[in-house]
Amino acid sequence: QKEVEQDPGPLSVPEGAIVSLNCTYSNSAFQYFMWYRQYSRKGPELLMYTYSSGNKEDGRFTAQVDKSSKYISLFIRDSQPSDSATYLCAIVGNAGNMLTFGGGTRLMVKP
Amino acid sequence: EAGVTQFPSHSVIEKGQTVTLRCDPISGHDNLYWYRRVMGKEIKFLLHFVKESKQDESGMPNNRFLAERTGGTYSTLKVQPAELEDSGVYFCASSQTGGAGPQHFGDGTRLSIL
Repeated sequence: QKEVEQDPGPLSVPEGAIVSLNCTYSNSAFQYFMWYRQYSRKGPELLMYTYSSGNKEDGRFTAQVDKSSKYISLFIRDSQPSDSATYLCAIVGNAGNMLTFGGGTRLMVKP
Repeated sequence: EAGVTQFPSHSVIEKGQTVTLRCDPISGHDNLYWYRRVMGKEIKFLLHFVKESKQDESGMPNNRFLAERTGGTYSTLKVQPAELEDSGVYFCASSQTGGAGPQHFGDGTRLSIL
């Protein structure tokens, strides 16, 4: 079993839709949770960073963490074609700073 | 502020040759990380420097890989001799001093072993 599971997609939505991206993880020692966006041939770009259960909002993006269920989500409101990319969840434990990544979900927002 | 820079962006070499990848972290970032993504797999951790010291190299696949960070600034990752399974995208990331702070990534080096 992978430590971090993520549906690879692709997820195709119309412009303006609300997008929900999700990850599950198995290690309860994970404490810090990040979402990255990656465009083709580019490096991961940090979108959201949180360390507690609950919601964190930044513009059109909301990150949600449920530690009891080991489930994290990223919501994108009013999705735009420029949001088309691969979204990666990444998690850090308390025994070091290494990131454990999910495989990424490919999102396509159609005009 | 300049981001994390990596070069070359793409390298094609033959099996058995040597390749050296370079990473320049964000200025002032003491933490420097190397990650790798091989085809069809998720991004995996290789190692972590704090300044010039190796903090964690548990992800290094074998002794054909050598990472250095002399002077605590830029880092190099050498693969010698390269094998076919070393093909993939090698990412470097950096973060500020202390704690599990957010890591900022470069655009990676795409390494192809023929």
